[in-house]
Amino acid sequence: GAVVSQHPSRVICKSGTSVKIECRSLDFQATTMFWYRQFPKQSLMLMATSNEGSKATYEQGVEKDKFLINHASLTLSTLTVTSAHPEDSSFYICSARGALDSPLHFGNGTRLTVT
Amino acid sequence: DAKTTQPNSMESNEEEPVHLPCNHSTISGTDYIHWYRQLPSQGPEYVIHGLTSNVNNRMASLAIAEDRKSSTLILHRATLRDAAVYYCILRRGGSNYKLTFGKGTLLTVNP
Repeated sequence: GAVVSQHPSRVICKSGTSVKIECRSLDFQATTMFWYRQFPKQSLMLMATSNEGSKATYEQGVEKDKFLINHASLTLSTLTVTSAHPEDSSFYICSARGALDSPLHFGNGTRLTVT
Repeated sequence: DAKTTQPNSMESNEEEPVHLPCNHSTISGTDYIHWYRQLPSQGPEYVIHGLTSNVNNRMASLAIAEDRKSSTLILHRATLRDAAVYYCILRRGGSNYKLTFGKGTLLTVNP
């Protein structure tokens, strides 16, 4: 079945540094990818929609200058958390779809801890 | 977006069937009913989806009420690996596939 690979699975960084998370669709071309964030014991919150070759669309309340999204190819989207702070510590999950009405496939998430 | 309502938690015994309910009384005619599940510390996993007719796949069955205001995800024989949070989500057909997750149902499977 379709696989979405997310890397790294865990990252610890110091406050003020930037962290890049990669999301790859391994066996299909993903015209659209989504980035979610999940805090402990809470549901997934959509951060942004990433379309290949165009600017990402951010959900209300998500700072686009802090969470930089790049979707340069049909198989790769990256999320960069810039100037990370402890409150950015969370579980970040990407997802991707291939054909228009095919299911959404999710990566296994990245646990970010900012110290 | 039309909302869904699910019980916060449910419990089942191993090898018994599980019926997970979902209410979506404000569903529109073009809304697909999707089910995803999330195991601890993992990303969500697609389970099944349907529009009007009941659906079966290797993971589960989806029973959709005739008026489409509710649906039930059926796991025919629960295993310990089915313990997860199950999300019932509506997605408008033809849209960009943005999924809005609710709180879901935490399914506990007892050995």
